[in-house]
Amino acid sequence: GQQVMQIPQYQHVQEGEDFTTYCNSSTTLSNIQWYKQRPGGHPVFLIQLVKSGEVKKQKRLTFQFGEAKKNSSLHITATQTTDVGTYFCAGGGGSQGNLIFGKGTKLSVKP
Amino acid sequence: NAGVTQTPKFQVLKTGQSMTLQCAQDMNHEYMSWYRQDPGMGLRLIHYSVGAGITDQGEVPNGYNVSRSTTEDFPLRLLSAAPSQTSVYFCASSWGLVGHTEAFFGQGTRLTVV
Repeated sequence: GQQVMQIPQYQHVQEGEDFTTYCNSSTTLSNIQWYKQRPGGHPVFLIQLVKSGEVKKQKRLTFQFGEAKKNSSLHITATQTTDVGTYFCAGGGGSQGNLIFGKGTKLSVKP
Repeated sequence: NAGVTQTPKFQVLKTGQSMTLQCAQDMNHEYMSWYRQDPGMGLRLIHYSVGAGITDQGEVPNGYNVSRSTTEDFPLRLLSAAPSQTSVYFCASSWGLVGHTEAFFGQGTRLTVV
């Protein structure tokens, strides 16, 4: 079945360093969504990318969707302690029309 | 705005017991889903519903039942709890097909089966 792989599983950075997480799908995706989950919290929607090669920015966060619509990335510039959490990508348009989640990248930021 | 409300927040069950996890949303969303989250496994779909009276199985449906009698409510029933069902359960809703629109998640239910 459709799988969404996400790397790395963990990332530890010093505050002010950049951070990137990558997402790869075994099949072409109709869209990709990104969620953030704070420790002990619930996933919160960040953004959705739909178009091939799409790039969107939210302040220090940059999201990209690959040309083949099989991969995506989230880049955070100059991390802050408030960025701590687990970032999930989720591929849309699965066989059941639902989201297929990657396993997430857990980000920790050392002040 | 309440959004998606899950109850209870925490629960401890003995093996073999049954229980219902409640989920309610006040956004008039047609689509609702249940996920379980285990360490290192991401979120896996249990069951979902595209509207009142319509439900279907997700990736890991065994041991769980759902029903959708109203637009607002989507309870998840554990028929005979097993230690393998120890997990964090999230309910989510969206106005459109969840693979194409933003999903709103509840606060989660942390379930331990002993």
